[in-house]
Amino acid sequence: EAGVTQSPTHLIKTRGQQATLRCSPISGHTSVYWYQQALGLGLQFLLWYDEGEERNRGNFPPRFSGRQFPNYSSELNVNALELEDSALYLCASSLVGGKETQYFGPGTRLLVL
Amino acid sequence: RKEVEQDPGPFNVPEGATVAFNCTYSNSASQSFFWYRQDCRKEPKLLMSVYSSGNEDGRFTAQLNRASQYISLLIRDSKLSDSATYLCAVNPYSGTYKYIFGTGTRLKVLA
Repeated sequence: EAGVTQSPTHLIKTRGQQATLRCSPISGHTSVYWYQQALGLGLQFLLWYDEGEERNRGNFPPRFSGRQFPNYSSELNVNALELEDSALYLCASSLVGGKETQYFGPGTRLLVL
Repeated sequence: RKEVEQDPGPFNVPEGATVAFNCTYSNSASQSFFWYRQDCRKEPKLLMSVYSSGNEDGRFTAQLNRASQYISLLIRDSKLSDSATYLCAVNPYSGTYKYIFGTGTRLKVLA
């Protein structure tokens, strides 16, 4: 069974540009979570989508947004990129939201120059 | 106080040693607890869930202490391949989802 997949693996942008990151959950999983992991820091919760709806978001500015499609895949958009947005962006999925175990994808490394 | 705290380490231990990590959490209503392993520049991989009764998987044992609000991970007979960062995750479940990860404890097993 395929795990969580993410694309692209690496992304290089310049300050002020927009970045779009994509995630496909494990088959049968309806919840998708996005995390940011900056170098040397822990995982910071960004967004949770379940059944196409945004259920919760972390302490990030509105320029971080996303959506979940009918096939449960998800997209994270980061507008007006700043240097400090450079990080590993991890997507995780779970069977249903809440207490279920999360399984992570390999991540997208975003570098903002 | 941080919601979830871990000693960052590194813990440098010789092969064959037993090592234990703790992870403290501040929300007494927390319901779900997990240990993940993260190798350098890779994604976290689930190591084990932590149940009230504790659980064991081979050389790994996880326990939950609700009274003192911490979870622990014990690794017996350490292998070189156990070298990684170990993250704890806590779900406070305050009515809506919010998974909180610790910053991780780095383990180095030395030959």
